[in-house]
Amino acid sequence: QLQLQESGPGLVKPSETLSLTCTVSGGSISGSSFYWGWIRQPPGKGLEWIGNIYSDERTFYNPSFKSRVSISVDTAKNQFSLNLRSVTAADTALYYCARVPENWFDPWGQGTLVTVSS
Amino acid sequence: EIVLTQSPATLSLSPGERATLSCRASQSVDSDLAWYQQRPGQAPRLLIYGASNRATGIPARFSGRGSGTDFRLTINTLEPEDFAVYYCQQRHSWPLTFGGGTKVEIK
Repeated sequence: QLQLQESGPGLVKPSETLSLTCTVSGGSISGSSFYWGWIRQPPGKGLEWIGNIYSDERTFYNPSFKSRVSISVDTAKNQFSLNLRSVTAADTALYYCARVPENWFDPWGQGTLVTVSS
Repeated sequence: EIVLTQSPATLSLSPGERATLSCRASQSVDSDLAWYQQRPGQAPRLLIYGASNRATGIPARFSGRGSGTDFRLTINTLEPEDFAVYYCQQRHSWPLTFGGGTKVEIK
């Protein structure tokens, strides 16, 4: 059974970079034909797609993040990562990773809360 | 960007009743629409994709229909575990977008 687990700092200072990793178990990133993605959810609010990456490192990003976001993949570790630069309090959210079959999201990791505060 | 508007924001029903949730797209998404369920404290899970296809392991009481701009998620005979927030999502064009959610609460 495929499982995804987010990890990373729970607290990031304003203007710094938020960095999260998603570890995939029960399946291989490199052997799959899926994209892998990041979605976030501010506390008490709805879902916002951040971006997707394929195993060959092709990426698609939400333009609302402009040039602040980058997603990378490490097939040797079966992980993919999110970097979000120049964060503000508005970036405080639950961050989820997910497998992205045909641009649906299934399954999801359990999520990790990142708070932006000094 | 395609905006998805879900209604109602909250639906108050009793177990055993039928729930009908709506998702309207700002422009046609053909059948490129999915529904997700998010229970309290949990990650969302895929219920329906391609407007009407149930994902693996999803009970038959969940059904989706629609195409173009108007979509419905129906939950027949609400079970206690169905009280949750439901989101729609379109994949028709970039960026991928979600609706604001409908909360199905116990009346």
